[in-house]
Amino acid sequence: EAQVTQNPRYLITVTGKKLTVTCSQNMNHEYMSWYRQDPGLGLRQIYYSMNVEVTDKGDVPEGYKVSRKEKRNFPLILESPSPNQTSLYFCASSRPGQGKYEQYFGPGTRLTVT
Amino acid sequence: AQTVTQSQPEMSVQEAETVTLSCTYDTSESDYYLFWYKQPPSRQMILVIRQEAYKQQNATENRFSVNFQKAAKSFSLKISDSQLGDAAMYFCAYRINSGNTPLVFGKGTRLSVIA
Repeated sequence: EAQVTQNPRYLITVTGKKLTVTCSQNMNHEYMSWYRQDPGLGLRQIYYSMNVEVTDKGDVPEGYKVSRKEKRNFPLILESPSPNQTSLYFCASSRPGQGKYEQYFGPGTRLTVT
Repeated sequence: AQTVTQSQPEMSVQEAETVTLSCTYDTSESDYYLFWYKQPPSRQMILVIRQEAYKQQNATENRFSVNFQKAAKSFSLKISDSQLGDAAMYFCAYRINSGNTPLVFGKGTRLSVIA
């Protein structure tokens, strides 16, 4: 089954404790992306990657890092989480081709930073 | 910067009735794609329908159809014969057909379906 997986699905952590949210896709997609969803703001892009070792900032990259060492994986790293990073996070992947192809979304990760 | 506006934070519809969700967008591009995504309580993002800007014909998917007005930069979603399972948050989104462009989302419309 074609899918995007994220782990963990739920995470409660404390300010300053480094964490990683993993994302993996089994569709051989070149394009991968991270979004955060906040009430009243919709989804906003954090980082994206066009292919292995190629990453770039989205609209809200501050406080986040990413890496793309393998085509299927695109982890999101919070080096020093803060309460304003409490949010619902989505990973997505798609074929290249700009806007033509559907983005497939993971199930989401609910992060709470206290 | 491209923006997507959903002016209705919440909507409700009687079961079996028709409802229209509004979306407008701001862009200077001519080649782009528009999408409606559904987010049920499970939080999964599900693509409902997609429209290519260079196609004049409105997209349809079963009970879901769009009214795409390119000159007015409007992209509304019509849900016919509403069902209880249609209750969800609906997001309008836009993506330029060029380069490494992101999917730009509106803030969403929460749809309730009344039995």
